[in-house]
Amino acid sequence: VQLQQMGGGLLKPSETLSLTCAVYGGSLNNFNWIWIRQSPVKGLEWIGEINHLGGTKYNPSLERRVSISIDTSKSQFSLRLTSVHAADTAVYYCARGGIAPLLYWGQGTPVTVSS
Amino acid sequence: AIQLTQSPSSLSASVGDRLTITCRASQAIGDDLAWFQQRPGKPPKLLIFAASNLHIGVPSRFSGSGSGTDFTLTISGLRPEDFATYYCLQDHNYPRTFGHGTKVEVK
Repeated sequence: VQLQQMGGGLLKPSETLSLTCAVYGGSLNNFNWIWIRQSPVKGLEWIGEINHLGGTKYNPSLERRVSISIDTSKSQFSLRLTSVHAADTAVYYCARGGIAPLLYWGQGTPVTVSS
Repeated sequence: AIQLTQSPSSLSASVGDRLTITCRASQAIGDDLAWFQQRPGKPPKLLIFAASNLHIGVPSRFSGSGSGTDFTLTISGLRPEDFATYYCLQDHNYPRTFGHGTKVEVK
């Protein structure tokens, strides 16, 4: 199983962050698909997750601004974070959940929010 | 949200040393705790899940124990490739939460 991340980069405050994670070599069924971010200030932060049926769980600290979607036909899932600000600067990871938690990870995408 | 307190935040060690890292949860989480190793520029790598289950392919010098609120990760016989940062994760409740990490450095 490989997870390949796309998107990210440099954003201005108030813009929307969009990231996609493509899953290769495995089915999306029966697993949770997760977004996590890491910054020097906050460390590792779980953003949220989605299952193959589209059921979602979000971190309450981000819930008003975050949405995660899944496209099983394309074998990918996506993160959308609105109204970004400097505190959203981090490396963003996608990962697969399961009995063995966070077994597979994407390569990580640096996201910088700066005017 | 459940808070995970890791200690120490950093330590200096030598090859061959036996290390213990602790993770304390702010409320009981059964055995729903995992340990990860992270090297610079890489995503975390799963070592142990369900408190004491060694993931396939992880060397047996790594071991985990604990339940409820107190957990430990032990490395018996530190190897050069083990100098890294270690994190605990609870998957008992949402939102999932991580410890702040323990950086293992060369003495």
